Amino acid sequence: QSVLTQPSSVSGTPGQRVTISCFGSSSIMSNNFVYWYRQYPGTAPKLLIYKNNQRPSGVPDRFSGSKSGTSASLAISGLRSEDEADYHCAVRDDSLSGVVFGGGTKVTVL
Amino acid sequence: QLHLQESGPGLVKPSETLSLSCSVSGGSIDSIFYYWGWIRQPPGKGLEWIGNRYYSGNTYYNPSLKSRVTISVDTAKNQFSLKLDSVTAADTAIYYCASTGSWLFDVWGQGALVTVSS
Repeated sequence: QSVLTQPSSVSGTPGQRVTISCFGSSSIMSNNFVYWYRQYPGTAPKLLIYKNNQRPSGVPDRFSGSKSGTSASLAISGLRSEDEADYHCAVRDDSLSGVVFGGGTKVTVL
Repeated sequence: QLHLQESGPGLVKPSETLSLSCSVSGGSIDSIFYYWGWIRQPPGKGLEWIGNRYYSGNTYYNPSLKSRVTISVDTAKNQFSLKLDSVTAADTAIYYCASTGSWLFDVWGQGALVTVSS
């Protein structure tokens, strides 16, 4: 059982906007940043969002992150077939110098 | 551009020690600008953080694995390693090495599948 809670799956049609939630305890989520990773089948995860809502170079602005209280969200707008993948949230707990992950969410494009 | 590559046995017997190495290219293992980590993913499941090793030598482990895990660095080979003792079938997973430079785990290795079986 993961420390961060994500829905196991989310689906949408092309062009739609979908959101993935990531819930954690106040001790984990408070004062710590949330990171999001995308993982295609058979490949390593890749950083998608850092520090709650920042995109690394090369990540399209269709992807956006937010955080409020004990929850964070990843939104994908203008859904495309290539967005079909697993998405993982993570928090670096600076007080414990550790990292926790969510269980991952499979995004399906219908 | 940093590049990481895992290597090690793909099959380990129960109760034995799992050993993996991560070769680093495009950067120095003893750079103050990075720290190094291991993450694993059981088949069909989510990611689990194993531990991090910092430039200072400080190492932090997942509390659930702490008693069995060691992460070390070999500066001569420019690589870092993972040892996991007393493995069971529950330790069967894809093991990833990753680095944190600007952001958390911003570079990953391709992963190495390790199966625990007799």
